[in-house]
Amino acid sequence: TQLLEQSPQFLSIQEGENLTVYCNSSSVFSSLQWYRQEPGEGPVLLVTVVTGGEVKKLKRLTFQFGDARKDSSLHITAAQPGDTGLYLCAGAQGGSEKLVFGKGTKLTVNP
Amino acid sequence: GAVVSQHPSRVICKSGTSVKIECRSLDFQATTMFWYRQFPKQSLMLMATSNEGSKATYEQGVEKDKFLINHASLTLSTLTVTSAHPEDSSFYICSAGGQLGPNSPLHFGNGTRLTVT
Repeated sequence: TQLLEQSPQFLSIQEGENLTVYCNSSSVFSSLQWYRQEPGEGPVLLVTVVTGGEVKKLKRLTFQFGDARKDSSLHITAAQPGDTGLYLCAGAQGGSEKLVFGKGTKLTVNP
Repeated sequence: GAVVSQHPSRVICKSGTSVKIECRSLDFQATTMFWYRQFPKQSLMLMATSNEGSKATYEQGVEKDKFLINHASLTLSTLTVTSAHPEDSSFYICSAGGQLGPNSPLHFGNGTRLTVT
């Protein structure tokens, strides 16, 4: 059983389109993090959300943490080819530093 | 700049040999580091938690005698894949952080691509 369900698994869109990636769970997380990973490299942290209902923006990326801290979404506005990559959500429970990762969303933005 | 350094980035070894991977925290001390394994087109799976000065904690299904972890200092953890076999070929990634509290971000190394022939 996957603790964090991430969808969609694959997404191919045209430059300029908007998209949303979802990360859902039946469990509560003390924090949730979004990472972006390029092939052959480690994940790079994009954002950490810790408060239910929290919304954070990073340029064209908007991250939201659900009110119950069980789910999160990543919305990208006007996607660009440079946004192409694997997006991973990861959650921490209680006071633990251990992260549970979703399966990832492979995003391809075509010029 | 990188806050976690992982070495080597790529290694090819013959079946039956052992391979050591290093994970260093730069500019900060990490009492805890994590080791992950990632198969192609899949997500990261936590293998073990490396604890400075004590035994590592392994996740269910991970053989502790095969994947030896040593965390001898506050800035260095090593993962040794012993008697490697082709099925051990994978992308191994370490992470460290949390020095500012449970919700502070973890930083990841750039990974090690292990190929066992």
